Amino acid sequence: QVQLVQSGAEVKTPGASVKVSCKASGDTFNTYYMHWVRQAPGQGLEWMGIITPSGYDTVYAQEFQARVTVTRDTSTNTVYIELSSLTSEDTAVYYCARGGTGTAAAGSLDYWGQGTPVTVSS
Amino acid sequence: AIRLTQSPSSFSASPGDRVTITCRASHGINNYLAWYQQKPEKAPKLLIYATSTLQSGVPSRFSGSGSGTDFTLTISYLQSEDFATYYCQQHFSYPYTFGQGTKLEIK
Repeated sequence: QVQLVQSGAEVKTPGASVKVSCKASGDTFNTYYMHWVRQAPGQGLEWMGIITPSGYDTVYAQEFQARVTVTRDTSTNTVYIELSSLTSEDTAVYYCARGGTGTAAAGSLDYWGQGTPVTVSS
Repeated sequence: AIRLTQSPSSFSASPGDRVTITCRASHGINNYLAWYQQKPEKAPKLLIYATSTLQSGVPSRFSGSGSGTDFTLTISYLQSEDFATYYCQQHFSYPYTFGQGTKLEIK
């Protein structure tokens, strides 16, 4: 049974940074790509970035490129996202998700964390 | 970035109905199109990937089709638990992108 358990809700002031974690259990975590997706209140899903199984390579959406870092700790089966220079527009639920395996499923997101609400407010 | 446009944005249907949601891509995506279902306050759930492959455990009343830039999700016989918001996602090229969502409500 694959489980992705994320860290708890965060409240930040504008200009601060936030780091959200996602711990995996139940499968061979270190063979999967991991993604981050966010959802602002009442809005749709927004793909943020991906990290390779080794953790050596990342790809980010252009709009986050300058202020996002995704990392993973293979020893603890945990992936992280850190977003800096927060504004009120970063208020959202942040999800980690596992990338599908095999050629056809690659890039689809087959297991999701429960989501971490991040509120940015002064 | 590849843009995905879903239609309709929302609509109402009754249990037992057959419904279709459309997703149009701004560029060809080689059939790397996935569909997700999301219920309020819950994480999305993968239904279909690569246009038509049903994710394990998903009921067979869900099906996907399409090619090129035009894709559809069909629910053949709506059940009460199917009322939710549905998103398409292209998993062909970075940055991966989602459609804006289609909210399916009970009539």
